[in-house]
Amino acid sequence: AQSVTQPDIHITVSEGASLELRCNYSYGATPYLFWYVQSPGQGLQLLLKYFSGDTLVQGIKGFEAEFKRSQSSFNLRKPSVHWSDAAEYFCAVGFNTDKLIFGTGTRLQVFP
Amino acid sequence: EPEVTQTPSHQVTQMGQEVILRCVPISNHLYFYWYRQILGQKVEFLVSFYNNEISEKSEIFDDQFSVERPDGSNFTLKIRSTKLEDSAMYFCASSEDLYGYTFGSGTRLTVV
Repeated sequence: AQSVTQPDIHITVSEGASLELRCNYSYGATPYLFWYVQSPGQGLQLLLKYFSGDTLVQGIKGFEAEFKRSQSSFNLRKPSVHWSDAAEYFCAVGFNTDKLIFGTGTRLQVFP
Repeated sequence: EPEVTQTPSHQVTQMGQEVILRCVPISNHLYFYWYRQILGQKVEFLVSFYNNEISEKSEIFDDQFSVERPDGSNFTLKIRSTKLEDSAMYFCASSEDLYGYTFGSGTRLTVV
């Protein structure tokens, strides 16, 4: 069955530290891959997406993600986290239809 | 930048009452969606709509739910007889092409 897993429910980092949020999917082919961010009480903002081509994708707010086919992963990274990055991050996947399947989310907390 | 607008931002309704959630998609978009997020849980697909008909719906989208594009600009989600478990944040999204989603900021529905 098609599924999306975000293994980390909650991550805490210090401001200025690097960040990696994990996302794995289960599917027989390469899906369409997305990362969204949701600040409290807000909607979903697209950070970046991967459809094909270069497996390292640059997004907004200094985020990047790398698609690794061998690991069925699409991890989100940022070299230096800012306090304003504190939010909920959702990995989402499109499996051959136009609907998205979301992971359960990772809540990022940033300490000064 | 074009936005998807949702109204109201918060609606409280009594169990058993009908509720209509409204969305104004981006004007040149052709694909329309509703997703929901129960508090503390992941975002779930409800329905997709293209060419004036439902293209896909989830198991959640039962006979109590309906969607309509009444006037070429609005896109509505109706819940005929609300239940307590319908309490959630409902997100509208529109897309110009496959996976080119823009999400609205959501309507928080509280059923009491």
